[in-house]
Amino acid sequence: EAQVTQNPRYLITVTGKKLTVTCSQNMNHEYMSWYRQDPGLGLRQIYYSMNVEVTDKGDVPEGYKVSRKEKRNFPLILESPSPNQTSLYFCTSSVGFTGELFFGEGSRLTVL
Amino acid sequence: AQSVTQLGSHVSVSEGALVLLRCNYSSSVPPYLFWYVQYPNQGLQLLLKYTSAATLVKGINGFEAEFKKSETSFHLTKPSAHMSDAAEYFCAVTSSGGSYIPTFGRGTSLIVHP
Repeated sequence: EAQVTQNPRYLITVTGKKLTVTCSQNMNHEYMSWYRQDPGLGLRQIYYSMNVEVTDKGDVPEGYKVSRKEKRNFPLILESPSPNQTSLYFCTSSVGFTGELFFGEGSRLTVL
Repeated sequence: AQSVTQLGSHVSVSEGALVLLRCNYSSSVPPYLFWYVQYPNQGLQLLLKYTSAATLVKGINGFEAEFKKSETSFHLTKPSAHMSDAAEYFCAVTSSGGSYIPTFGRGTSLIVHP
């Protein structure tokens, strides 16, 4: 089954404690990205990757890091989380920029 | 630059009534347009997409959308609402002229009354 898998699905952490949200896709897609979803703001792109070792900033990259060492994986790293990073995070993959985005089920992060 | 505006953060209809969710976009190059649906506690899934073929696009679950270049619109419709249609709907645009950054609207919550 084609899917994008994120972990963890739910996480409560404290300010400053580094965390990583993993993302893996099994569709051999080149394009992957991370979004955050906040009430009233819709989805905003954090980072995207067009291929292995090729990443670039989206609209709201501050406070986040990513890496793309393998085609299937695209982890999101919060080096020093802050409360304003409390949000619902989605990883996506697609064949190309005009293609359908496949979404993971989301990771709900709370930073206290 | 591209942008998406979804008119109305909430739309309420009765079961069996017409559903109309509005989306207007701006793009300096021919756009690719999408509608996604998000059910509670789930990720988004594609309803339909426009990629410069037919202007009337049919999607899943009886939804369709019409691309109107002159109005820069891509409104989503369904003739008869079902209770199961209650969800959040997002319009998105991307284009071939820039980097790979799809832009999403802020979403419209569809409420269906019995």
